[in-house]
Amino acid sequence: EAGVTQSPTHLIKTRGQQATLRCSPISGHTSVYWYQQALGLGLQFLLWYDEGEERNRGNFPPRFSGRQFPNYSSELNVNALELEDSALYLCASSLESGGTYNEQFFGPGTRLTVL
Amino acid sequence: KQEVTQIPAALSVPEGENLVLNCSFTDSAIYNLQWFRQDPGKGLTSLLLIQSSQREQTSGRLNASLDKSSGRSTLYIAASQPGDSATYLCAVRYPGLSFGAGTTVTVRA
Repeated sequence: EAGVTQSPTHLIKTRGQQATLRCSPISGHTSVYWYQQALGLGLQFLLWYDEGEERNRGNFPPRFSGRQFPNYSSELNVNALELEDSALYLCASSLESGGTYNEQFFGPGTRLTVL
Repeated sequence: KQEVTQIPAALSVPEGENLVLNCSFTDSAIYNLQWFRQDPGKGLTSLLLIQSSQREQTSGRLNASLDKSSGRSTLYIAASQPGDSATYLCAVRYPGLSFGAGTTVTVRA
C-alpha cells in the first residue's frame, strides 16, 4: 500500500514569489494535515483539511493557505515568500471516523528554500 | 497554548540497555498522544498511538504509557539495538499535533 506522497521533493524560490506544494494521502484517508519543520523551531502544525474543508489552522499568517480536492489530495500555497519560510514541509494523512482521532502518517516532505 | 517538553534532549546507551524517554505536556485536554521516530534526512515514522482514554500501548519492544492528568507520557524501548538510533518525537493531538523538540538517541554497538 502506498504511503503519503509529496511533490516536489525540493523547491527553490525567491523572496516575494509564491510556492505550491502537493500531497496525496494514503488511499482511504480523508484528512490531510500540513506541518512546518524549520531549523531551530521544531515541527509546527499549519493546517488540517477533512472532507474538503479546512478544520483547523495553526498560528500562521493568512499567506499560508491550501485546499483539499475531491480525491482528498491537498495543496499548500505560500504567498509572498519570506526568507524564514525556508523549511521542510511535511504532509500527513489519517482516517478520522466517529469522533475518534486516529494515527497520522507522514510523507517524506518538501524542502522549500527561499533565496 | 499547548507546550510539549521532552527530556532528555540526547541520550547515549550501550547496546542491550533499556531506553526510557520522557514527554510532558501542559494542557491535559488532549485527544491522543503519538510517538514517532525521525531518521536523519527522512520523514516521520509513527511508532505508537495512545488514545486519551488509554493508559498504555505496546508494540513489540516498545511500550508507551500515558498519564493524562499529570501531563506525562513515557516511551520504553527494551533491549536497545544500534538500529534504534534516531530522534524520537512525542506529539499530542490538540487538535493538530503539537510536537516536542525530540530526544536524540544513540545506541553504541
